[in-house]
Amino acid sequence: EAQVTQNPRYLITVTGKKLTVTCSQNMNHEYMSWYRQDPGLGLRQIYYSMNVEVTDKGDVPEGYKVSRKEKRNFPLILESPSPNQTSLYFCASNSGQGYTGELFFGEGSRLTVL
Amino acid sequence: KQEVTQIPAALSVPEGENLVLNCSFTDSAIYNLQWFRQDPGKGLTSLLLIQSSQREQTSGRLNASLDKSSGRSTLYIAASQPGDSATYLCAVKEYGNKLVFGAGTILRVKS
Repeated sequence: EAQVTQNPRYLITVTGKKLTVTCSQNMNHEYMSWYRQDPGLGLRQIYYSMNVEVTDKGDVPEGYKVSRKEKRNFPLILESPSPNQTSLYFCASNSGQGYTGELFFGEGSRLTVL
Repeated sequence: KQEVTQIPAALSVPEGENLVLNCSFTDSAIYNLQWFRQDPGKGLTSLLLIQSSQREQTSGRLNASLDKSSGRSTLYIAASQPGDSATYLCAVKEYGNKLVFGAGTILRVKS
């Protein structure tokens, strides 16, 4: 089954404690991306990657890092989480040539930073 | 900077009605526009994808149109059902490969 898998789905942590949210897709997609969803602000893109070792900033990259060492994985790293990073996070991957195909989303990871 | 606006923010209709959701964007330099559905506490499910060269796409009771020059898209839902209740989001894929979302329309279909 084609899917995008995120882990953990729920996480409560404390300020400053480094954490990683993993994202894996089994569709051999080149394009992957991360979003955060906040009430009243909608979905905003954090980072995206057009292929292995190729990443770029979205609209809200501050406080986040990403890496793309393998095609299927695109982890999101919070080196020193702060309460304003409490949010619902989504990973997505993109089908089609030229990154213009349908976008597939993971189920989301709800992060709370105390 | 690209801005995507969805109107209305919320909509409540009786079962069986046909309805239209609107999405507008400020910069027409886009690869495509995609409509999604999001159920509470869940991820996004793709409904329809319209490439910039296309005018419309259809899937079952759903029809989406795109007028790139005027920066508008509509999602038409025919014969609405309670199971259609969800938040509907549109997103545009910019030439710079960024994806920009609208804030969504919360739809409630009453039985």
